[in-house]
Amino acid sequence: KAGVTQTPRYLIKTRGQQVTLSCSPISGHRSVSWYQQTPGQGLQFLFEYFSETQRNKGNFPGRFSGRQFSNSRSEMNVSTLELGDSALYLCASSQWPAQGSTEAFFGQGTRLTVV
Amino acid sequence: GQSLEQPSEVTAVEGAIVQINCTYQTSGFYGLSWYQQHDGGAPTFLSYNALDGLEETGRFSSFLSRSDSYGYLLLQELQMKDSASYFCAGHSGGYQKVTFGTGTKLQVIP
Repeated sequence: KAGVTQTPRYLIKTRGQQVTLSCSPISGHRSVSWYQQTPGQGLQFLFEYFSETQRNKGNFPGRFSGRQFSNSRSEMNVSTLELGDSALYLCASSQWPAQGSTEAFFGQGTRLTVV
Repeated sequence: GQSLEQPSEVTAVEGAIVQINCTYQTSGFYGLSWYQQHDGGAPTFLSYNALDGLEETGRFSSFLSRSDSYGYLLLQELQMKDSASYFCAGHSGGYQKVTFGTGTKLQVIP
């Protein structure tokens, strides 16, 4: 069974540009969550999607957006990039409803560097 | 809002036992998970507590006390490979809204 796949693994962008990151969840998983990880702020929740609908949202500005497709694949977009957006962006998939387990499976992440 | 606090660093000796604490303040709380993350790697799930008490999975155990808004991860028979960061994560709401703790970097020394 393939794990969670995130592409690209590394990305370098310039301030002001926009970026789209992709996440393919484990087959059969319908919930996809996105997190930003930085040394100073730790793991911060961005948003969670289920059945193409955003169910939960963290405290990030509107420049951060996402969507989920009918095959459960998800993308997140960051517009007007700022230096502070440099981080590891992690995607996690899980079954939903929890079905007795809340285990989330994380991808290897996309390392975004804004210069 | 939600917050989960953990000690930032813990050092323990190989073969020993270490406890990593997590205190939380969260509304609509319904469970606590623990994740391990090695440097450069992705977080991996260790355990989940929905009810008060101890859950044991091999060398790792996790405890939850809802009345105290407190949980801990217990690692026994420490091995060098256990050196990693450990995160508690609070689940809230009716969906998969997960708030991660500040993380504890565990260093296992010979």
